[in-house]
Amino acid sequence: NAGVTQTPKFRVLKTGQSMTLLCAQDMNHEYMYWYRQDPGMGLRLIHYSVGEGTTAKGEVPDGYNVSRLKKQNFLLGLESAAPSQTSVYFCASGVDREQNYGYTFGSGTRLTVV
Amino acid sequence: GQQLNQSPQSMFIQEGEDVSMNCTSSSIFNTWLWYKQDPGEGPVLLIALYKAGELTSNGRLTAQFGITRKDSFLNISASIPSDVGIYFCAGQRDTDKLIFGTGTRLQVFP
Repeated sequence: NAGVTQTPKFRVLKTGQSMTLLCAQDMNHEYMYWYRQDPGMGLRLIHYSVGEGTTAKGEVPDGYNVSRLKKQNFLLGLESAAPSQTSVYFCASGVDREQNYGYTFGSGTRLTVV
Repeated sequence: GQQLNQSPQSMFIQEGEDVSMNCTSSSIFNTWLWYKQDPGEGPVLLIALYKAGELTSNGRLTAQFGITRKDSFLNISASIPSDVGIYFCAGQRDTDKLIFGTGTRLQVFP
C-alpha cells in the first residue's frame, strides 16, 4: 500500500521552462490537493479536486494548472516556470469529512527554478 | 489567504522536557488537526479534534480544541529525540479545504 506517491522528487528548471508534477494515490480517495511549502509560511493550497474531472483554485493558484482525468491521479503543471515558484510541493488526498478526516501527504517534490 | 498563527515559531528543548504549542485564528473552525513533518517528508496526521472543548491524546501527545473554537493546543510530554520536526496545526470550517498554520519547529537535545 503505497499511499500517496509524488514524482519527481527533485527537479531543477530554467526560467520559462514547463513541467508537470504527478501525484498518484491508491486509497480510492475522492479529494486531492496540491500545496506548496515555503520557509516560514507553512503550507499554502494551490489547487484541489473533489472528484474525478473536477478542479478548483486554492489560495495561490496563479502560474499553475491542474488536471484530474483519473480518480487516482492529480497533475500539477507549470507552463512557464518563474524563480518565485521555487518551493517544495506536496500532494495530499483525503476522504469525505464525515469519515475519518485528515489528509495523507506524499513525500514532496523539491523544485528549484533558476 | 488566511493562515493560522502558531507559536512559538521554534523551540529548543532538552530531552525529557514537556512541550506546549498553540495555534490561533481570528475565525471559528469546526475541526482542528495537528500534523508532524519529519525532515524531507510530508506531514503526518497526529491528532484530529472535532468538538469545542475536546481533549484527545495519542501516546505522549495531547491536543485540545479551544472552547472559543478559535484556537487549539498541543502538548508533548517527556520529549525524546525523535520528536524533532515541524508541527503544523490545521483548521477546517464547512468547506473541504484545510487551512494550515505556519508551523512550530522543535529541536530536542540529548
